[in-house]
Amino acid sequence: SQQGEEDPQALSIQEGENATMNCSYKTSINNLQWYRQNSGRGLVHLILIRSNEREKHSGRLRVTLDTSKKSSSLLITASRAADTASYFCATASYTGRRALTFGSGTRLQVQP
Amino acid sequence: EAGVAQSPRYKIIEKRQSVAFWCNPISGHATLYWYQQILGQGPKLLIQFQNNGVVDDSQLPKDRFSAERLKGVDSTLKIQPAKLEDSAVYLCASSLISENTEAFFGQGTRLTVV
Repeated sequence: SQQGEEDPQALSIQEGENATMNCSYKTSINNLQWYRQNSGRGLVHLILIRSNEREKHSGRLRVTLDTSKKSSSLLITASRAADTASYFCATASYTGRRALTFGSGTRLQVQP
Repeated sequence: EAGVAQSPRYKIIEKRQSVAFWCNPISGHATLYWYQQILGQGPKLLIQFQNNGVVDDSQLPKDRFSAERLKGVDSTLKIQPAKLEDSAVYLCASSLISENTEAFFGQGTRLTVV
């Protein structure tokens, strides 16, 4: 079963706009990770946020984590056409299943 | 550093045939994962190894799927016999320590069962 669920399932924006994707999960976690997948390719790690962190930045990426609401958001600022991809959140739990478990993804289309 | 290597990249087989996929993780990585990704869906974990021990195989269909990690390094995933619904991309990933560190993915093997 999927631990994380992303919202929205699909997002289309213009180049230069910001894109926000949300992830909700069910069980307590050690960390939450975001990955990107270009069509037909493997997944690429973007950022990892630990359960005791609330916000993290990496370049144009900003991730927030709210453990009380069991949710996270990924913000991509000043989007580019090259950001077009599917974005997945993945969680590692310390209760129950340890395994790194992925959500269903948000498909982002950035129009040039 | 070299990435996660997977082979073959593509495979087409008939239903009821068997198939095997191979994965060579990044050197020194203790954790190895096999995921199944059906088109339009997120990766679904099949099995997670820590060195050569199994951490989680709760979603591995054990009547037809098997996996092993030789000497805690390379891994093979086998399907026997294959069904039409096994058509998917099979992704291998590795991480240095555990599920609490970033995972590096291979390019995947696209399996088509006809």
